[in-house]
Amino acid sequence: DVKVTQSSRYLVKRTGEKVFLECVQDMDHENMFWYRQDPGLGLRLIYFSYDVKMKEKGDIPEGYSVSREKKERFSLILESASTNQTSMYLCASPRPGDSSYNEQFFGPGTRLTVL
Amino acid sequence: AQTVTQSQPEMSVQEAETVTLSCTYDTSESDYYLFWYKQPPSRQMILVIRQEAYKQQNATENRFSVNFQKAAKSFSLKISDSQLGDAAMYFCALMDSSYKLIFGSGTRLLVRP
Repeated sequence: DVKVTQSSRYLVKRTGEKVFLECVQDMDHENMFWYRQDPGLGLRLIYFSYDVKMKEKGDIPEGYSVSREKKERFSLILESASTNQTSMYLCASPRPGDSSYNEQFFGPGTRLTVL
Repeated sequence: AQTVTQSQPEMSVQEAETVTLSCTYDTSESDYYLFWYKQPPSRQMILVIRQEAYKQQNATENRFSVNFQKAAKSFSLKISDSQLGDAAMYFCALMDSSYKLIFGSGTRLLVRP
């Protein structure tokens, strides 16, 4: 059974703190994605990676950075957390094998609150 | 820019009845995929159904089916024989050759017993 895990379900941080959100996939897939989910806005792509040490900006990269040192791990970094980064963060990776469908598996999400 | 629009923030359906969720999209790509994802209160995103744009036949998965109108750029989801477990947020999404997903704003489905 494929699995995408995220390090925390809930996280509370203070303004200005450096925050790390970790995502691990056991599907041995090159592609990994970080989305942010806000009410009324759906999910929006922050960053994605097509391979180790590669990263690409998504639609809303401002205030975020990422790290991909190993194939299975993709970290989202908030260098200096701000209250407008309070949100749900979802990591995703495609299902291996059936590339024509490109089904993405999602982690359980991290609800981050910045005070 | 590619966009996905869900114009119904919330829908309600009686248990065992049928409901249709609307989705329209815009893309200049000729090769793309469309998805409906379900997000229950547990927050886990679950794939409900998918459609390849080059296929004219509408996808079906048990009680879930789509009405894919490529020329109109419309991709609605029909849920038949609605069950209490269908209550969730439903997101329509578009994927192009870059593998990125563009999501709509979501429709909350309420199921009345």
